[in-house]
Amino acid sequence: ILNVEQSPQSLHVQEGDSTNFTCSFPSSNFYALHWYRWETAKSPEALFVMTLNGDEKKKGRISATLNTKEGYSYLYIKGSQPEDSATYLCAFCRKTSYDKVIFGPGTSLSVIP
Amino acid sequence: GAGVSQTPSNKVTEKGKYVELRCDPISGHTALYWYRQSLGQGPEFLIYFQGTGAADDSGLPNDRFFAVRPEGSVSTLKIQRTERGDSAVYLCASSLSPQSSYNEQFFGPGTRLTVL
Repeated sequence: ILNVEQSPQSLHVQEGDSTNFTCSFPSSNFYALHWYRWETAKSPEALFVMTLNGDEKKKGRISATLNTKEGYSYLYIKGSQPEDSATYLCAFCRKTSYDKVIFGPGTSLSVIP
Repeated sequence: GAGVSQTPSNKVTEKGKYVELRCDPISGHTALYWYRQSLGQGPEFLIYFQGTGAADDSGLPNDRFFAVRPEGSVSTLKIQRTERGDSAVYLCASSLSPQSSYNEQFFGPGTRLTVL
């Protein structure tokens, strides 16, 4: 069974706080790891595609790191804003079946003004 | 340009009825995916089309679920004899091809199905 896990399940932070959450995935047969942001009543939106061990990606106040050897990725948000409130999904692709994407359960972030 | 669209955005039906959910992918995207998202869970894979054919339908929960993509663009997910457990958000996504951008997917807004 292929499991992608995310923690915490939900998170409430004050505006201005920095936060991070974790995605863990099988460390073997790695192809790619995707991060998506899903705001209520909108479509999930791609944040990052990560493919190499040690990758670090940044978009504004959001950044992500990747460790394929141990099977985890961290997403960091610096100085959280209310508009960052969303569910953050990670999704894993295996090399032997890269056409199939396995999603984690998501981390729901609420930023309190 | 136009993104992935899904209709209807909301569907309320009674147990035992038949429903159809439609997905219009980004033009030129050969791969199309259907997912189901239940409360507190991530999107669960249902079926994937490459062109007109279903390349992998291993996620369809039972034979009440069926999907088609007859011309390689628009897809319809069909659910027969709906049950209350079918209530969920049904998401559609398309990608240029699984090999491009490491299968980055572009999602529609979903259809929220409620079975009473």
